[in-house]
Amino acid sequence: KAGVTQTPRYLIKTRGQQVTLSCSPISGHRSVSWYQQTPGQGLQFLFEYFSETQRNKGNFPGRFSGRQFSNSRSEMNVSTLELGDSALYLCASSPSIGWADTQYFGPGTRLTVL
Amino acid sequence: GEDVEQSLFLSVREGDSSVINCTYTDSSSTYLYWYKQEPGAGLQLLTYIFSNMDMKQDQRLTVLLNKKDKHLSLRIADTQTGDSAIYFCAENREGYQKVTFGTGTKLQVIP
Repeated sequence: KAGVTQTPRYLIKTRGQQVTLSCSPISGHRSVSWYQQTPGQGLQFLFEYFSETQRNKGNFPGRFSGRQFSNSRSEMNVSTLELGDSALYLCASSPSIGWADTQYFGPGTRLTVL
Repeated sequence: GEDVEQSLFLSVREGDSSVINCTYTDSSSTYLYWYKQEPGAGLQLLTYIFSNMDMKQDQRLTVLLNKKDKHLSLRIADTQTGDSAIYFCAENREGYQKVTFGTGTKLQVIP
């Protein structure tokens, strides 16, 4: 079974731009969660999508949004980028919602905002 | 508080045992996890323990849980250079649909 894939792996943007990141879950997994990882704040939960609906949300501003498609693939969008948005963005997929099942992480997308 | 705390750095010699410690926040947490992150990679689940257990062993890995002190540890026996990575503990609070990660411990294995 193929693992969780994320595209692109690396991205460089400038302040004020917007960015879209993509995550393809493991086949059969319906839940996709997104996390932001920074040296200062560590790993922080952004949101979770299950069956095309956002089910849980962390404490991030509205500039961070996402969606999930019928094939469970998910995209995350960040608008009006700030320097502090530079981070590794990880997605994780799971068969079930939340942490009822093990979450499997992708390799991440490294976003650098200049 | 909200923070799951870990020491930042641990250095051990190849062949020795490593013990990585974690202090979590909520005594009602149902599951506690250990994840490994290698450079440039995502998180890999190593093991997890249910809150009604005191110990779990899985090959070279031993997890100890002290609920009274809200302390979790991961012991890696016969540590190898391939074990060099950052290790995160995480807690899943009962009733919550998300998990809180620790700050991560960087393990350096010296040949």
